[in-house]
Amino acid sequence: EADIYQTPRYLVIGTGKKITLECSQTMGHDKMYWYQQDPGMELHLIHYSYGVNSTEKGDLSSESTVSRIRTEHFPLTLESARPSHTSQYLCASSDGPRQYGYTFGSGTRLTVV
Amino acid sequence: DQQVKQNSPSLSVQEGRISILNCDYTNSMFDYFLWYKKYPAEGPTFLISISSIKDKNEDGRFTVFLNKSAKHLSLHIVPSQPGDSAVYFCAARHSGNTGKLIFGQGTTLQVKP
Repeated sequence: EADIYQTPRYLVIGTGKKITLECSQTMGHDKMYWYQQDPGMELHLIHYSYGVNSTEKGDLSSESTVSRIRTEHFPLTLESARPSHTSQYLCASSDGPRQYGYTFGSGTRLTVV
Repeated sequence: DQQVKQNSPSLSVQEGRISILNCDYTNSMFDYFLWYKKYPAEGPTFLISISSIKDKNEDGRFTVFLNKSAKHLSLHIVPSQPGDSAVYFCAARHSGNTGKLIFGQGTTLQVKP
């Protein structure tokens, strides 16, 4: 039973379209993260939030933006999708014991054609 | 500069044998090291972790060893099962309140029946 939900699971979209990837968690966690991952590569942190109205850019430069208006919701938006945005996007949250790290959602596989 | 490295992209072992996955790190400011397992088109799931003050942690078939002097950790799976076939990510947690996780590139494990 997932406590962090990402929609859609798969998305194929044309270049130039605006898209929003949804992420919601029911655990009441303050910390939430967005990672981008390509096959055979490490997970790259692109955005994170430590609470409502708090967002920061991650270690990997990204053209996406995020918002955190409610604790449980952390959507990621691409204003104008490009083929270079094709990737898997993973949302995660944490606030539990340090030894358990993050809880991840199932991810969104985005393909921009 | 990559702080967490998994130098073996893939590993193939026979069912019932031991699988050993390796990970190296360069930063001494990590307080926990974690292993995540990831199936295709799914998010990573937490497997096992170790505190930086320990040198071994065991959970069923999974054991993680930490060698701080060598900045090296390894995950042992004994006995390996076909269901263990997945991508395994090593991650290191920054000490302090940020608690950000830095991931390696992953190692694809294939366990042959």
